[in-house]
Amino acid sequence: EAGVAQSPRYKIIEKRQSVAFWCNPISGHATLYWYQQILGQGPKLLIQFQNNGVVDDSQLPKDRFSAERLKGVDSTLKIQPAKLEDSAVYLCASSLPRGSDTQYFGPGTRLTVL
Amino acid sequence: QQPVQSPQAVILREGEDAVINCSSSKALYSVHWYRQKHGEAPVFLMILLKGGEQKGHDKISASFNEKKQQSSLYLTASQLSYSGTYFCGTEMAGGSYIPTFGRGTSLIVHP
Repeated sequence: EAGVAQSPRYKIIEKRQSVAFWCNPISGHATLYWYQQILGQGPKLLIQFQNNGVVDDSQLPKDRFSAERLKGVDSTLKIQPAKLEDSAVYLCASSLPRGSDTQYFGPGTRLTVL
Repeated sequence: QQPVQSPQAVILREGEDAVINCSSSKALYSVHWYRQKHGEAPVFLMILLKGGEQKGHDKISASFNEKKQQSSLYLTASQLSYSGTYFCGTEMAGGSYIPTFGRGTSLIVHP
C-alpha cells in the first residue's frame, strides 16, 4: 500500500515570497490533515479536511495561509506571503473517517524562509 | 488544549526501562502515541480509547487513565531502535476528533 506522498521535500524561499505544498493521501482515506512542526516542538494542526470539506481550521493563519482539497483526494497548502517564522516542516497526514483513528504521516516538506 | 508530556528527555542504556507521561486538563476521548526519528515523519505506535484500557505490542505498552486524564507509555528493555522523540496526541471527549500533540519527549538509548 502506497503511503502519504508530499512534494517538494525541501524548499528555500525569501520572506514575502509565495510557496505551495502538495499532498496525496493514502487511497481511501477521507480525512486529511496539514500540520506545522517547528524544530523541537510537536506537530501543530493547521487544517483538517473530511473529504473536501473543512472540519477545523481554527489554527490556520488565514491572512497568509490557504488550503484546498478539491475532489476530496489530494490537497494543496499555500503560504502567501511567507514570513521568517513560517520556517518549519509541513506534515500531511491522512486517516480513515471513523472518528478517532490512526494517522499516517507523509515525509514532510522542510521550508526555510530567509 | 495542548497535552503536557513528561519528562522532556530520557537517557537510557540498552535494556533499561522508561515511562513517558502525557496529561491533559480536559476530559479525553482518546490518546495516540507516535515516535519520530530525526528528520523523519512521526510513526504511529498505538491508540487508546477512553475506558482505561492498556495496549501494547512487543515491549512497548501504554495505559490510559480516563479519570486522571492521563496516559503513560512504557518502554521495557529498551533497544537502540527505540531512540527518538515520542509524542502523545489527544482528542477531547465530546469533540470532533481534532488531534492536539504534546511537545514531545526525547528518548536516547545508549549501547
